[in-house]
Amino acid sequence: SAVISQKPSRDICQRGTSLTIQCQVDSQVTMMFWYRQQPGQSLTLIATANQGSEATYESGFVIDKFPISRPNLTFSTLTVSNMSPEDSSIYLCSVDGAGVTYNEQFFGPGTRLTVL
Amino acid sequence: QKEVEQNSGPLSVPEGAIASLNCTYSDRGSQSFFWYRQYSGKSPELIMFIYSNGDKEDGRFTAQLNKASQYVSLLIRDSQPSDSATYLCAVNPYNFNKFYFGSGTKLNVKP
Repeated sequence: SAVISQKPSRDICQRGTSLTIQCQVDSQVTMMFWYRQQPGQSLTLIATANQGSEATYESGFVIDKFPISRPNLTFSTLTVSNMSPEDSSIYLCSVDGAGVTYNEQFFGPGTRLTVL
Repeated sequence: QKEVEQNSGPLSVPEGAIASLNCTYSDRGSQSFFWYRQYSGKSPELIMFIYSNGDKEDGRFTAQLNKASQYVSLLIRDSQPSDSATYLCAVNPYNFNKFYFGSGTKLNVKP
């Protein structure tokens, strides 16, 4: 499976500020995904990021709040904008396993965000 | 109605026993099914996937799929304390790229 890294691993931010999370993969992948996992909860898909096109957002998530970039096949960023305490969560990127095995997803280590 | 349902647990089993984790899903068109293990404070780790009805075995793990009943399960034989984690069921319906995750079942294996 691909090796996925995320930066930062954790951060504590003030209300109203923005944080950009980076996701780097050691091989080229078609699909990258951004998830949120709130404390004690399961994973919720925020958006799907394809290289060279606009990200596709899930219901309840909007580009103004969670802008995403996907400049190449190994890298993506997710920005959490104008943060509030409700944005405190773990943010995870994942990649599809296409080319290795059929459509599994592999997760990065996550970014633990606390908003004060 | 949730897309994927799991009993939140905790499920407690003694060391060496079989742990049985269950998952139901609502979309009859679902094509592939995944089990992830998540240790506290860590990201999910893929442990099994299954596409066809029946059983699929990998070491101590067996995934079972019954598409008619919209049911998928994970059996862990000879459970070890290191198996203590939250197990997430994920379903990939007709949409190739989108996973739906259950809320997870917390498993405790007692020495």
